[in-house]
Amino acid sequence: DAGVTQSPTHLIKTRGQQVTLRCSPKSGHDTVSWYQQALGQGPQFIFQYYEEEERQRGNFPDRFSGHQFPNYSSELNVNALLLGDSALYLCASSFYGSYEQYFGPGTRLTVT
Amino acid sequence: GQQLNQSPQSMFIQEGEDVSMNCTSSSIFNTWLWYKQEPGEGPVLLIALYKAGELTSNGRLTAQFGITRKDSFLNISASIPSDVGIYFCAGRKAAGNKLTFGGGTRVLVKP
Repeated sequence: DAGVTQSPTHLIKTRGQQVTLRCSPKSGHDTVSWYQQALGQGPQFIFQYYEEEERQRGNFPDRFSGHQFPNYSSELNVNALLLGDSALYLCASSFYGSYEQYFGPGTRLTVT
Repeated sequence: GQQLNQSPQSMFIQEGEDVSMNCTSSSIFNTWLWYKQEPGEGPVLLIALYKAGELTSNGRLTAQFGITRKDSFLNISASIPSDVGIYFCAGRKAAGNKLTFGGGTRVLVKP
């Protein structure tokens, strides 16, 4: 039973660039949530996708956008990168309506 | 910012000890979850709690959903070296599936 997978594992970008992170949910799950985890802190909710639509959004600017595909996989896009966007980006999947979210290993983004 | 306060921020364990940690908020949450995160990995779900007063175990781990719905507690019995890691509480409010996380309790082994 495949768990949540994310790619790439690590990424280094320059300020002002754009980045796309990818997530495949756990087998059978249809809902994907994205979180940002700064060093030494707990994850912070960015947004959640179900049926290819953004269903709920946290306190993040419009530079953060996402997409969900018909196979339930998802992308997180961040435009105009800032140094403060350096963090571990976590994807979590679940069944819609279930509150138990299962996390992937994350993508470590470094902005220089 | 974080709405959930976890304490202690860090603790040292000795093999065989029982340890406790808690998570408090000024807001009511309808679901509490506890996760463990190890270096280089994502958080792993340990226990989910759905009703005020609920007590749930998963092996040597026991968690409780506080009666006021503003707090939750996690106990680890007979700790072993592989219990080392960061434990996060997460809460869900009435509307939506967004999880709010605490700042974590870092569990370390006594030298």
